[in-house]
Amino acid sequence: QKEVEQDPGPLSVPEGAIVSLNCTYSNSAFQYFMWYRQYSRKGPELLMYTYSSGNKEDGRFTAQVDKSSKYISLFIRDSQPSDSATYLCATLLYNQGGKLIFGQGTELSVKP
Amino acid sequence: NAGVTQTPKFQVLKTGQSMTLQCAQDMNHNSMYWYRQDPGMGLRLIYYSASEGTTDKGEVPNGYNVSRLNKREFSLRLESAAPSQTSVYFCASRPQTGSSSYNSPLHFGNGTRLTVT
Repeated sequence: QKEVEQDPGPLSVPEGAIVSLNCTYSNSAFQYFMWYRQYSRKGPELLMYTYSSGNKEDGRFTAQVDKSSKYISLFIRDSQPSDSATYLCATLLYNQGGKLIFGQGTELSVKP
Repeated sequence: NAGVTQTPKFQVLKTGQSMTLQCAQDMNHNSMYWYRQDPGMGLRLIYYSASEGTTDKGEVPNGYNVSRLNKREFSLRLESAAPSQTSVYFCASRPQTGSSSYNSPLHFGNGTRLTVT
């Protein structure tokens, strides 16, 4: 079992829809949680970062962490065709030299 | 400011051939990483270098070697390529390790697409 599991998708939604992307993790010692966005033929780029349980909002994006159930989510409101990309959740341990552990990635397509 | 630059962008190898993937960053980052990305597997860490002069194995190091040539450059070598090494390889960097770096993002290059036949 991978340490971080992510719904593989692909996911296709109409423009304007609310998108929910989800990951679960197995190690309760994970402390830092990130979402990366990867456009086709490009490297991933950091979208959001959070440490504690709860919600963190940035424009149309909300990252949610529930440490009690080891569940992390990314919500996209008013989705746009420009949001079409692969979204990767990631986490790391405090004492592991900054190594990130990634989920498998979810490919999202937002149709106009 | 170029960020993280990977060369080559594409490569086709025959089984048993060797090659070196090059990575350079111009952001004065201490830590550098090599990942491979395969369908359904996500990004998996091959090797990393927490600082100049140090390298450590990641999740999938077998069949690879690395060299941290200097602070800017971190190369990945395939000594005898195998079809299982067909993948997209990403190099990444971040400013430093330690507790103050955990909210600093990894900066990725745009990848090297390698096919081994």
